[in-house]
Amino acid sequence: AQSVTQPDIHITVSEGASLELRCNYSYGATPYLFWYVQSPGQGLQLLLKYFSGDTLVQGIKGFEAEFKRSQSSFNLRKPSVHWSDAAEYFCAVGSYNNRKLIWGLGTSLAVNP
Amino acid sequence: GAGVSQSPSNKVTEKGKDVELRCDPISGHTALYWYRQSLGQGLEFLIYFQGNSAPDKSGLPSDRFSAERTGGSVSTLTIQRTQQEDSAVYLCASSRGEGSSYNEQFFGPGTRLTVL
Repeated sequence: AQSVTQPDIHITVSEGASLELRCNYSYGATPYLFWYVQSPGQGLQLLLKYFSGDTLVQGIKGFEAEFKRSQSSFNLRKPSVHWSDAAEYFCAVGSYNNRKLIWGLGTSLAVNP
Repeated sequence: GAGVSQSPSNKVTEKGKDVELRCDPISGHTALYWYRQSLGQGLEFLIYFQGNSAPDKSGLPSDRFSAERTGGSVSTLTIQRTQQEDSAVYLCASSRGEGSSYNEQFFGPGTRLTVL
């Protein structure tokens, strides 16, 4: 079955600390992977995406993610978190021939001052 | 327009009433998606329009849900005889559609539906 698992429902970090949000997927085709962020009162915004090539991808707002095929993972990282990063983060998977993305349930990030 | 717009932003209705939710995609985007986001849940795919092709309705939860897209642009999601379990945020997204590479989905702000 196709699925996306975000094991951490809620994470709290201190401002300036590093961050890693986990995403594991199960997908039959070559995956296209995405991380979206949903800030309070805001729409979903794409942080970064992976289609092929270099397995370490850079996104907006200082985020990066690494695709590990052997682990079926696409974890999101940021070296130093800012208070404005507090939001809900969603991982999603699709493919070239399937525009219907499969979404994880999200990870809620809180940032302590 | 500059982005995907949705209206209304909030809708409160009584159980059994019909509602219509509107989505205006980004100009030139041929693909349009509807999702539902319930409290504490991820995004649930509802329906997908691509150009003039028949829509993919495989995510619609019941025959009370329907959607249309007129002129390849504006889309309306209709929920008939609303039930309390229909309460959710309904999100619309658009993308440039088919092509040699996958195109990013741009999301609207959503319509929060509350069924009393």
